[in-house]
Amino acid sequence: DQQVKQNSPSLSVQEGRISILNCDYTNSMFDYFLWYKKYPAEGPTFLISISSIKDKNEDGRFTVFLNKSAKHLSLHIVPSQPGDSAVYFCAAGTASKLTFGTGTRLQVTL
Amino acid sequence: DTGVSQDPRHKITKRGQNVTFRCDPISEHNRLYWYRQTLGQGPEFLTYFQNEAQLEKSRLLSDRFSAERPKGSFSTLEIQRTEQGDSAMYLCASSPREQNQETQYFGPGTRLLVL
Repeated sequence: DQQVKQNSPSLSVQEGRISILNCDYTNSMFDYFLWYKKYPAEGPTFLISISSIKDKNEDGRFTVFLNKSAKHLSLHIVPSQPGDSAVYFCAAGTASKLTFGTGTRLQVTL
Repeated sequence: DTGVSQDPRHKITKRGQNVTFRCDPISEHNRLYWYRQTLGQGPEFLTYFQNEAQLEKSRLLSDRFSAERPKGSFSTLEIQRTEQGDSAMYLCASSPREQNQETQYFGPGTRLLVL
């Protein structure tokens, strides 16, 4: 049972444009959500998080939006840069653990 | 502070052998987590510690797996009688116990290949 889903395995965006990565979840008990970025042969790097009581959190070029009624969150990166090319994982948290999606590979082209 | 470290970074072993991995969390983080990641998947939770106490274990953690955190600092994950299906990236993460919604910070992982 995949409780956190990232339905787009890959995304290609031009440098300077907006990247939008999407994530859906099924468990209403999740109380916070995070986005991680992962390069090959490295561990996931934390990017940004949002509490379930909020609908938006912004940090520099990164903004996370949460729609609880739709059980959907998204990560916006603007402007996208070539260094943003990586695999992005959405994760949902309860008190003790994170449940991850399967990831979306973002390619930012010149 | 250099972040979460894991050792070794790579391990190749033959089926049936035992392996042990080590994780050193960020200092003063009292929660430590183990995850496993296979190709094309996100990390999957295995177990976590609050200080030296192991508080939760996933059903993915068969009885061939054991994890310890004896002094509430570093942790070890041992796999006995390895099987080819154990081949994966083993990730360790730590978090401060400041509030319920905690950011987990990951190490670089140990990639295990069982031949």
